[in-house]
Amino acid sequence: GENVEQHPSTLSVQEGDSAVIKCTYSDSASNYFPWYKQELGKRPQLIIDIRSNVGEKKDQRIAVTLNKTAKHFSLHITETQPEDSAVYFCAALYNQGGKLIFGQGTELSVKP
Amino acid sequence: EAQVTQNPRYLITVTGKKLTVTCSQNMNHEYMSWYRQDPGLGLRQIYYSMNVEVTDKGDVPEGYKVSRKEKRNFPLILESPSPNQTSLYFCASSTLANTGELFFGEGSRLTVL
Repeated sequence: GENVEQHPSTLSVQEGDSAVIKCTYSDSASNYFPWYKQELGKRPQLIIDIRSNVGEKKDQRIAVTLNKTAKHFSLHITETQPEDSAVYFCAALYNQGGKLIFGQGTELSVKP
Repeated sequence: EAQVTQNPRYLITVTGKKLTVTCSQNMNHEYMSWYRQDPGLGLRQIYYSMNVEVTDKGDVPEGYKVSRKEKRNFPLILESPSPNQTSLYFCASSTLANTGELFFGEGSRLTVL
């Protein structure tokens, strides 16, 4: 079936440290894996995405890696800052582009 | 300004009283979708639409209906709301689900008593 598992559910780091969030997906996912950030009381917003024809993508302090063989992908945030504190959601696209299934979310707390 | 607009933003209602949450986008997006967000469960897809007159079930469609008569509008209908439909609802749109960024509305917080 269609499923995305995300870990950990909460993550606390010191400012300047790195944070890693991992997601696994079930077999029938297609080729698009985005990550969304949701600040408290706000709507989710796309921060980075990756397609299955690449293994890694970077955007400043944020990177995403994809391992298709193992069916998992990860979000890496380096040099974390207090404004990185938010809930992060991974997602995978199913059903030929119709169903975007989200993980359960990770609440990241960056302590100054 | 490019945006997805949901109404109402907040609503308290009672069990069984039909309600509609409207969603409108001004970006000429083909794809629209509804999600509900509950603590610990993330964002769960209710229904989605790939284009006008084309709708399909997401993961949690029970108790909901949608329609897509116009490209810009995608209302969510709760024919007979129940307390387990108390949630935060998000409408979202995209150029195409498999190539484009999903733009979310501000959310509608619904409480069913």
